[in-house]
Amino acid sequence: DQQVKQNSPSLSVQEGRISILNCDYTNSMFDYFLWYKKYPAEGPTFLISISSIKDKNEDGRFTVFLNKSAKHLSLHIVPSQPGDSAVYFCAASVTGANNLFFGTGTRLTVIP
Amino acid sequence: EADIYQTPRYLVIGTGKKITLECSQTMGHDKMYWYQQDPGMELHLIHYSYGVNSTEKGDLSSESTVSRIRTEHFPLTLESARPSHTSQYLCASRGDYIYNEQFFGPGTRLTVL
Repeated sequence: DQQVKQNSPSLSVQEGRISILNCDYTNSMFDYFLWYKKYPAEGPTFLISISSIKDKNEDGRFTVFLNKSAKHLSLHIVPSQPGDSAVYFCAASVTGANNLFFGTGTRLTVIP
Repeated sequence: EADIYQTPRYLVIGTGKKITLECSQTMGHDKMYWYQQDPGMELHLIHYSYGVNSTEKGDLSSESTVSRIRTEHFPLTLESARPSHTSQYLCASRGDYIYNEQFFGPGTRLTVL
């Protein structure tokens, strides 16, 4: 059973607007969450992370929000740029464990 | 910028061939990982290593094997490739800090005919 879910396979946003990518998880033991960005024919690139002791982490145009009670996190990109067009993967882990559990990804298209 | 390399980037081979996918990192990381990903699917962990001479199987069963003789090198081998092995294989490494993210290589796209 998939422990990390990204229910939107794709999202299209106008350049300059906000992109919101969502992720849900089922394992209440997860306490560290990451977002990766992946271009075609390349490996995932780390974007931003958040630990369960926080509910928000911001890095430039990227902000991740964590709602532990809902087991939900989201990535906000504002303003969106055409170069942000890629597949975004949500991942979760238990601190100290070796494994990252990934969602199936959301393909973001930013329209110029 | 992460320094983790994978070769070849693309490989098309016939059924029954033995192949080795190479992965090297120059960051001195002890922890290394192999993931398998099919289009539209999540990444699945197939092997990991905590250091030299340490290898473990991941959550997804795989017919591949790995070795870790040197810290920087973590090759994956398929003794007899089959069409069901067609996939993208991603290598990753991470440091020892508790919250370190995993750094990924560019991946190898394997097609078995």
